Amino acid sequence: AQSVTQLGSHVSVSEGALVLLRCNYSSSVPPYLFWYVQYPNQGLQLLLKYTTGATLVKGINGFEAEFKKSETSFHLTKPSAHMSDAAEYFCAVMPTDSWGKLQFGAGTQVVVTP
Amino acid sequence: DTAVSQTPKYLVTQMGNDKSIKCEQNLGHDTMYWYKQDSKKFLKIMFSYNNKELIINETVPNRFSPKSPDKAHLNLHINSLELGDSAVYFCASSRDSYEQYFGPGTRLTVT
Repeated sequence: AQSVTQLGSHVSVSEGALVLLRCNYSSSVPPYLFWYVQYPNQGLQLLLKYTTGATLVKGINGFEAEFKKSETSFHLTKPSAHMSDAAEYFCAVMPTDSWGKLQFGAGTQVVVTP
Repeated sequence: DTAVSQTPKYLVTQMGNDKSIKCEQNLGHDTMYWYKQDSKKFLKIMFSYNNKELIINETVPNRFSPKSPDKAHLNLHINSLELGDSAVYFCASSRDSYEQYFGPGTRLTVT
C-alpha cells in the first residue's frame, strides 16, 4: 500500500528565505505526485504535479518540485517566501493503477515571519 | 464563475439526524469526488463518480451514500449522524484523474 510522509508538520520561514517542504512516498512503482495548497477556510488548490517527463516540475506562485526516484522523494521549494505563502501544504500521490485515488500526506503548516 | 461549489458551507446538527451536502461543478468534468478532512487536517477520499457511475468507494460507513443525478452534481447524504462525522467535507472534480479541482468545503459539526 502507498504511504506519503511529509517531514515536519510546521515550518517557519522568514520572508525572502527559501521554502523547502519535504515529501517521501513508499512504493516500488513510482506513483503520480502532487502538491496542493490550502489557505485558511478554503479548498485545496493544485500547485504542481508530476506524471511523466522532466523530473523538475514548475508550478504556480513560484513553486517547483523535483521527483527523485532513487530517493522516493518529491520535495517542494520556493526560492523566496512571501507573506502570502502562509498556508497548509499537502503532498499527495496517486498510484498509476488507481485512477483518481489521491492519497494525501498529513500536511505541513507554513508560517512566514516578517 | 464558481468552478466547484458546495452547499451549505456550514452545517450544525444533532446526533441521529440525517443531512445532505450538495456539490455542483460547472467545468464540464466527467468525474467527481468526495473527501473528508478530519480535525487534524488529514484528507481521505471517500467516493468518486465518473459519468454518474460509482468508481471509487472507500471503506466508509454505509450511513454515507453518494448520489449523482447528473455528471455536474454529486451529493452526499449522511444518515444517523454521529459525533465522529464532524469534519470538513470537500467535493472535487476532474476531467482526467490528474488534476482535481476542489470546492470550498462544508464544515459539518455534530453535537
